[in-house]
Parts: sequence; structure tokens; C-alpha cells
Amino acid sequence: SQTIHQWPATLVQPVGSPLSLECTVEGTSNPNLYWYRQAAGRGLQLLFYSVGIGQISSEVPQNLSASRPQDRQFILSSKKLLLSDSGFYLCAWDDRGLAGESKFEQYFGPGTRLTVT
Amino acid sequence: AQSVTQLGSHVSVSEGALVLLRCNYSSSVPPYLFWYVQYPNQGLQLLLKYTSAATLVKGINGFEAEFKKSETSFHLTKPSAHMSDAAEYFCAVSEGFKTIFGAGTRLFVKA
Repeated sequence: SQTIHQWPATLVQPVGSPLSLECTVEGTSNPNLYWYRQAAGRGLQLLFYSVGIGQISSEVPQNLSASRPQDRQFILSSKKLLLSDSGFYLCAWDDRGLAGESKFEQYFGPGTRLTVT
Repeated sequence: AQSVTQLGSHVSVSEGALVLLRCNYSSSVPPYLFWYVQYPNQGLQLLLKYTSAATLVKGINGFEAEFKKSETSFHLTKPSAHMSDAAEYFCAVSEGFKTIFGAGTRLFVKA
């Protein structure tokens, strides 16, 4: 069965510090990977998605970046955090677009709670 | 572009009462529609999905949703609420490699 991991679970960082959040998926190959941010009391905002190694699409201009160094690894980074970067960050995967049956539903990790102080 | 509107950011029901969470979508093509549930400080979990098969879709935990093309709606229902149903619920529509989520509806269940 497939599982998705995110770490750390919680993080408190000062303004201006760097950020690195990691997401890994097990039990599947060539997944599409996604980073979302959920601000308090709001819905999910798609930040980045990736359909393959080294392929990153950005949805929202910001001081965040994403990388996919391996097939099942997705990293969210920032060089200098802003207060507005606080939120709940969710990684997700799906397998749409592959040959054969596509499952359009997404599978989410447990999330990382980031507080920028 | 596709979009999703969830009517009511908060819904409160008594235990044992009907749960109705409303979702309307806009789409220029036949949509793939989803309901997800999120418990506090957790990721989202799929409740059910509509992918152009049966219009009445049954999901986990006794939830179901009906796709109504004429009303562009995909409302989520459960005949009898349980305390464990208290959570936030998100309606979503799929567009290519993107999934568009509604703003969410927080369900409160009163004893």
C-alpha cells in the first residue's frame, strides 16, 4: 500500500530564516506531487506541483520554491521566511495522467504546521 | 476555469440529525468532483468521488453525495450525524493536473 510522509510535523522559525520541508511517498512510482498551504480558517492553496523529476510548476508567485530530486521526494524551501508564510503545509500525490486507469483523487500527508515568529 | 463554492463556512447539527453540506461548482467540461474530510491537525482524507458514473455516490462513514448537472451541485449528506463527524469538509473539482478546493465547511455536532 502507498504511504506519504512529511516532516517535520511542527516547526517554529524566525522571520528571515531558511526553510526546508520534505515529503516522500512510498509504494508507488512516477506519482504527481503537490504542495498546498492552508492558512487558518481558509481552504487549500496550491503552491507547486510536479509531474516528474526536476519538473516543477509554480502556481503562486512567492518567496517559496520546490524541488523534486528523486521520483518520490518533494521538497519545499525558502531562503528567507516571512510572517505570511505561517500556515499548515500539506503534501499530496496522485497518479492521474498515467497510462491505464487514472485515479483522480489525491492522497495527503499528515502536514507540517509552520509558525514564523 | 473551474471553481467550487461551498455554502456556509460553519454548519451545526444535533447528534442523530441529517447532515447537509452544500457545494456548487462551475466547469466547462464534465467534472470530476470530490469531498474530503479533515480532522484537526491532520491531512485530508477522501470521503467520496464522482467520475461520471452513477450520479449518487456513496462514500465512507455513511456519507453520500448526489451529482446534479442541472443545478451544478454536489451536496454531501448523511442521514444521522455522529459526534465523530465533527470536522472540516472540503468539496473539490479536478482540472487537468490541478484540484480546485472550496473554502471548506466546518461541521459541529451537538450532543
